[in-house]
Amino acid sequence: AQSVAQPEDQVNVAEGNPLTVKCTYSVSGNPYLFWYVQYPNRGLQFLLKYITGDNLVKGSYGFEAEFNKSQTSFHLKKPSALVSDSALYFCAVRPFSGAGSYQLTFGKGTKLSVIP
Amino acid sequence: NAGVTQTPKFRVLKTGQSMTLLCAQDMNHEYMYWYRQDPGMGLRLIHYSVGEGTTAKGEVPDGYNVSRLKKQNFLLGLESAAPSQTSVYFCASSWGQGTDTQYFGPGTRLTVL
Repeated sequence: AQSVAQPEDQVNVAEGNPLTVKCTYSVSGNPYLFWYVQYPNRGLQFLLKYITGDNLVKGSYGFEAEFNKSQTSFHLKKPSALVSDSALYFCAVRPFSGAGSYQLTFGKGTKLSVIP
Repeated sequence: NAGVTQTPKFRVLKTGQSMTLLCAQDMNHEYMYWYRQDPGMGLRLIHYSVGEGTTAKGEVPDGYNVSRLKKQNFLLGLESAAPSQTSVYFCASSWGQGTDTQYFGPGTRLTVL
């Protein structure tokens, strides 16, 4: 069965500084990896996904993520944080094939706070 | 184009009561999903459907039933609510599996007393 770990419950960063939200995964075979963001009292919004190819994936709102197969990681990054980036971020994984390929498995989430 | 909508937004139930949550999508997606979100636990899949008339169990199906009579709708039922079912419920839909992005509704906050 697949799993996702987001080792930090909360990340604090000053506005204008670069931010990183960490994610590691476990899955049989090749993974499909996703990042979602959730603002207070809202549903999840898709940010970006890794399918195959270039290890650096660019997404919405200036976010990007780097896929590292050897470290089984998919960290979310942004060069310059905004106060409006403060939200809950979820990493998710889905295997390429097999029974678990129907299921998107989420991490527990990381709360990002950008300090003015 | 409303995307994924959920009804109701909030609900308070007493233990033992029943209710149905409605999810509707207007994107002609084949796949639909029900998740629950609890603090510190992320989202967990309850049930899902790969097409009209089909349903399947996810990670935490006990105490819930679902139906997909129409392609655009996916209903989640609680026959006898328990306090452990207090949660925020999210519906999602996608074209298919694999690389396809899931699009989420705004959620239903359910409290069982």
